[in-house]
Amino acid sequence: GIQVEQSPPDLILQEGANSTLRCNFSDSVNNLQWFHQNPWGQLINLFYIPSGTKQNGRLSATTVATERYSLLYISSSQTTDSGVYFCAVEETSGSRLTFGEGTQLTVNP
Amino acid sequence: DGGITQSPKYLFRKEGQNVTLSCEQNLNHDAMYWYRQDPGQGLRLIYYSQIVNDFQKGDIAEGYSVSREKKESFPLTVTSAQKNPTAFYLCASQGRYTSGSRDTQYFGPGTRLTVL
Repeated sequence: GIQVEQSPPDLILQEGANSTLRCNFSDSVNNLQWFHQNPWGQLINLFYIPSGTKQNGRLSATTVATERYSLLYISSSQTTDSGVYFCAVEETSGSRLTFGEGTQLTVNP
Repeated sequence: DGGITQSPKYLFRKEGQNVTLSCEQNLNHDAMYWYRQDPGQGLRLIYYSQIVNDFQKGDIAEGYSVSREKKESFPLTVTSAQKNPTAFYLCASQGRYTSGSRDTQYFGPGTRLTVL
């Protein structure tokens, strides 16, 4: 099956800093999503982005499907951005998502 | 309001008992999914269903069973055959656009199962 690798595994920032999270995947995909898991375990959709660039406030994402990677940018980070960020992909042959192991982000005040 | 509900939020089970986790959605989504998450790890797919009365095994289906008798409901039973059931269980659903392409997956709040 498809492999999904996220980096870095852990990231610690001071409030106000910017960061870039990366997701590499091993095969062509129909769908790529970024999620944020808050400290209570709830997964929140951030982006549905099989290709191209999208922006939502301080967050933006870019997927380069031909090179099999996606980037999530967080600007002017806030303590509420803390949590785990997951990338998940749907293979062209499938009907299910495969998740990466996540990036644990801690934003300190 | 529209969304996905899971119950209970916390569940404690004695070894050897079967337990059933509830997942209900009112988003009119055809597809529903169950995932397991262990501490510090990503989500692993247990079972999924694309349509009523049909479901497929995911990557870690052993020791689990599901049913899909109604579009809104996709309960998961953790059987006594599951050797290490203590984990966080997440249910999700997914719809389709009128074009036929898939929408994002939406997640419920999860159930934390602990085996005593």
